[in-house]
Amino acid sequence: AQSVTQLGSHVSVSEGALVLLRCNYSSSVPPYLFWYVQYPNQGLQLLLKYTSAATLVKGINGFEAEFKKSETSFHLTKPSAHMSDAAEYFCAVNESGGGADGLTFGKGTHLIIQP
Amino acid sequence: NAGVTQTPKFQVLKTGQSMTLQCAQDMNHNSMYWYRQDPGMGLRLIYYSASEGTTDKGEVPNGYNVSRLNKREFSLRLESAAPSQTSVYFCASLPGQGSWNTEAFFGQGTRLTVV
Repeated sequence: AQSVTQLGSHVSVSEGALVLLRCNYSSSVPPYLFWYVQYPNQGLQLLLKYTSAATLVKGINGFEAEFKKSETSFHLTKPSAHMSDAAEYFCAVNESGGGADGLTFGKGTHLIIQP
Repeated sequence: NAGVTQTPKFQVLKTGQSMTLQCAQDMNHNSMYWYRQDPGMGLRLIYYSASEGTTDKGEVPNGYNVSRLNKREFSLRLESAAPSQTSVYFCASLPGQGSWNTEAFFGQGTRLTVV
């Protein structure tokens, strides 16, 4: 069965500092992995996804994530935080070829940007 | 604009009342999903419809029913609302069954409060 663990329900960084949001997954088959962002009172927006191509995935707004099979991780990073990055971030997994099942989401990490 | 439209955006119900949340997509997608979002819990799958005419239970189906009215519309019904169903509900659609490697589209959410 697939599952996702996001370490840290809240992460606070200074503007201009490195952003690192951690995600570990469990899957019995090679997974599809996703990061979504949710701004206050908004729906979910796809930041980036891993679908078994390059292990380093670049997304929108300067974010990227690296798939590490040996560590079962898919951590999200951004070199320099901006105030507009303050939001809720969700890591999600779907087992490739897993039929009609939906995405399994982590519990989310609230990113706080300090001025 | 193309996308997923949810109605209503906000709703307050009394315990025991019933209501239907509506979701419609205009992208000719085959698969549609209903999720609920609760603080610290991420998004959890309630029901999904892999294709027109089919529906299946997700992780948390108790207290809900769904109808895939046609290819465009997928509704979620609460027959007898309970305070535990206070949540934000999101509808999502995909081009095809299990095609999470393509881009999923999420609606803006329905904020439901049961008092």
